[in-house]
Amino acid sequence: AQKVTQAQTEISVVEKEDVTLDCVYETRDTTYYLFWYKQPPSGELVFLIRRNSFDEQNEISGRYSWNFQKSTSSFNFTITASQVVDSAVYFCALSDRTGANNLFFGTGTRLTVIP
Amino acid sequence: DAGVIQSPRHEVTEMGQEVTLRCKPISGHDYLFWYRQTMMRGLELLIYFNNNVPIDDSGMPEDRFSAKMPNASFSTLKIQPSEPRDSAVYFCASSFGRAGANVLTFGAGSRLTVL
Repeated sequence: AQKVTQAQTEISVVEKEDVTLDCVYETRDTTYYLFWYKQPPSGELVFLIRRNSFDEQNEISGRYSWNFQKSTSSFNFTITASQVVDSAVYFCALSDRTGANNLFFGTGTRLTVIP
Repeated sequence: DAGVIQSPRHEVTEMGQEVTLRCKPISGHDYLFWYRQTMMRGLELLIYFNNNVPIDDSGMPEDRFSAKMPNASFSTLKIQPSEPRDSAVYFCASSFGRAGANVLTFGAGSRLTVL
């Protein structure tokens, strides 16, 4: 069965520090998708990124970057030069055929950026 | 597009009362999902529809929960009778094409409190 582990329950950093949020997944499928969503204090879930299992290229979007490593079944998310607005709960999620292609979420990491 | 619209945003009710949560998906999206978020269980998929037809309701916790999608632009999640343990944030999401290859867009959520 699929599983997504976000071992870091809460992280606090001082503004401008870099921070990495870890995500480890389990799946028996060779075709799957990985996602990161952000849930700010206002409560909505905001899509950040999707990667498929055949594309291990790392991705950078502004201050955000993602490191996908199939060898360690990890899909980590790094925020560079963190800002107060980055304070949120971040969810990693997996979608695979075994799970009928539905999104299976990790438990989330609460990031607090201290000014 | 206005995104996925949910109502009400907040609902406080007493145990035993009927609760109806509403969702308007993004126009043109053919998949609709209902998720529930609690501190104990995180984000759980309750049910999803494809072209207005319920595909998988295995996540619906009990017979007290029911969901309908009478047309492509409207869905309801009903709890009858409600219980305090139903207190949670309920999210509706929609996508064009099944999850995984396609991104789910979430609504702002409906926070339900059952006293």
